[in-house]
Amino acid sequence: NAGVMQNPRHLVRRRGQEARLRCSPMKGHSHVYWYRQLPEEGLKFMVYLQKENIIDESGMPKERFSAEFPKEGPSILRIQQVVRGDSAAYFCASSPERGKETQYFGPGTRLLVL
Amino acid sequence: LAKTTQPISMDSYEGQEVNITCSHNNIATNDYITWYQQFPSQGPRFIIQGYKTKVTNEVASLFIPADRKSSTLSLPRVSLSDTAVYYCLVGDRSGYSTLTFGKGTMLLVSP
Repeated sequence: NAGVMQNPRHLVRRRGQEARLRCSPMKGHSHVYWYRQLPEEGLKFMVYLQKENIIDESGMPKERFSAEFPKEGPSILRIQQVVRGDSAAYFCASSPERGKETQYFGPGTRLLVL
Repeated sequence: LAKTTQPISMDSYEGQEVNITCSHNNIATNDYITWYQQFPSQGPRFIIQGYKTKVTNEVASLFIPADRKSSTLSLPRVSLSDTAVYYCLVGDRSGYSTLTFGKGTMLLVSP
């Protein structure tokens, strides 16, 4: 059973460009979570999605950031008009059931904004 | 969400037992305690979870006193590969729960 897959592993963007980060949950998992980790910091929750639904986006910046988890395909975290402060590691996690604390994390995507 | 407090860093030597304590004074009745491990450039990895008393798996033990205001992660006979950041999290399993990570404890194991 493959783990959580994220791609790309590294992404370089110039200020003003768009960044798209993809996450494929573990097989059988229908709950996806996105986290951001700044250097020397812990992970900060951004958004929690189920298939075709955003359940909790309380950690997501109000502007430029969006997330989706379509019926088919991976979950996408989209950052429009990136700024240098968006440079961070973005981790995706998945879980099999609602309410389960055991989340399985992917390897992360490291975004660098020049 | 209950806030957690844990040491910023700890040092140990190979073969020693390491105990990392986490304080969570405001833990709620429905909250479980979960520990994750994170290596550099990797995502966190689940280690162990418990509600009360003691939980043991092939990797670690988790000790939780009766008042549940703290918990201790015990790593037996650590090796160099146990050098990582360890996060203590507290969350509700009754509904959904988004994990709140603090800065964790940086464990450095030396030869």
